[in-house]
Amino acid sequence: SAVISQKPSRDICQRGTSLTIQCQVDSQVTMMFWYRQQPGQSLTLIATANQGSEATYESGFVIDKFPISRPNLTFSTLTVSNLSPEDSSIYLCSVALRIGETQYFGPGTRLLVL
Amino acid sequence: AQKITQTQPGMFVQEKEAVTLDCTYDTSDPSYGLFWYKQPSSGEMIFLIYQGSYDQQNATEGRYSLNFQKARKSANLVISASQLGDSAMYFCAMREGGGGGADGLTFGKGTHLIIQP
Repeated sequence: SAVISQKPSRDICQRGTSLTIQCQVDSQVTMMFWYRQQPGQSLTLIATANQGSEATYESGFVIDKFPISRPNLTFSTLTVSNLSPEDSSIYLCSVALRIGETQYFGPGTRLLVL
Repeated sequence: AQKITQTQPGMFVQEKEAVTLDCTYDTSDPSYGLFWYKQPSSGEMIFLIYQGSYDQQNATEGRYSLNFQKARKSANLVISASQLGDSAMYFCAMREGGGGGADGLTFGKGTHLIIQP
């Protein structure tokens, strides 16, 4: 499995601001995904980060609120824009080396919005 | 309808006993994969075991096995000889085959397992 790192590991932000989360993998991977885990809840898929093209968003998530970049096969960013307290969650990136293979998760970014 | 159902919000089990965590799923796709992840209090998501819809045998990984009953659409996780370190949240997840397996995972609500000494 790949080694996945996320930055920052945690942050406290003011409402109305934005936070950009980085996901770095130590090897080239085909698939990268972003998930959200609200407090005490399960994981929900936000989007699939596509290399060289726009991300594919799940129902209920839009690009204006969650812009995603994936400039290469080892790196992706998720920005959470115009923060509100409801955005307080853990944000996790996951990767699969190839299509159809097991997804492995990064350590997560804990976001608290005041 | 929920795609992944975990009916046990919490479980208490004595150390060294076997434990079964329930998971049922709902899909009309003939090609799908089922996963179990462990999330300790640290928050990391740890992959445990995978079962493909076309796999003939139940998956096993060390102390973990998956009791896959396709007709019943269930994929229960069995942990043998439980240890204190097994205390964590456990999530069942499914990837449906549409898109060539390129889709993300749908997760159940999880089961909070506590192993008691």
